Amino acid sequence: GIQVEQSPPDLILQEGANSTLRCNFSDSVNNLQWFHQNPWGQLINLFYIPSGTKQNGRLSATTVATERYSLLYISSSQTTDSGVYFCAVEKGSGTYKYIFGTGTRLKVLA
Amino acid sequence: ETGVTQTPRHLVMGMTNKKSLKCEQHLGHNAMYWYKQSAKKPLELMFVYSLEERVENNSVPSRFSPECPNSSHLFLHLHTLQPEDSALYLCASSQGTSRTTSGSRDTQYFGPGTRLTVL
Repeated sequence: GIQVEQSPPDLILQEGANSTLRCNFSDSVNNLQWFHQNPWGQLINLFYIPSGTKQNGRLSATTVATERYSLLYISSSQTTDSGVYFCAVEKGSGTYKYIFGTGTRLKVLA
Repeated sequence: ETGVTQTPRHLVMGMTNKKSLKCEQHLGHNAMYWYKQSAKKPLELMFVYSLEERVENNSVPSRFSPECPNSSHLFLHLHTLQPEDSALYLCASSQGTSRTTSGSRDTQYFGPGTRLTVL
């Protein structure tokens, strides 16, 4: 099956700093999502981005499908950005079978 | 608020108990999912229902029994669980309705989870 690896596993930032999170996947995929899981366990979807670049406020994401990776950029980080960031991929379209990465745990210090 | 609710939020049960987890989505979606999240492990897909029909079952032990009575509700019935089943159980939904579905219709929306402890 597809392997999904995220790096770095842990990241500590000072408030206001920028960061880049990476998601590598071992096979071609049809769908890719980025999620943020807050300290209370709630997963919020950030981007649906099987290819290309999207931006939403201080967050942006780029997926280069041909090279099998996706990047999540966080600019001017805030303490509320703390939590775990997951990418999830779906190999086929409409298979409903999403494979999640191991996540990047981010802590933003005030 | 994602439009997906789960109850209870916390559950402590003994190994001989029977309990059920409930998920409800208010998004008009056609697909619903159960995931298990254990400490230090990625989310594991357990079950998927599309239009109330089970389309995915990831070799989950029979002590977990899903039920999808309609497209808005999903249950996970638990019986004779083991301590290693303690985890966060997450429900999700997506709009997708068929295996040819593509695009953002596959975007998943998650509930807040039920934190289960098995004693």
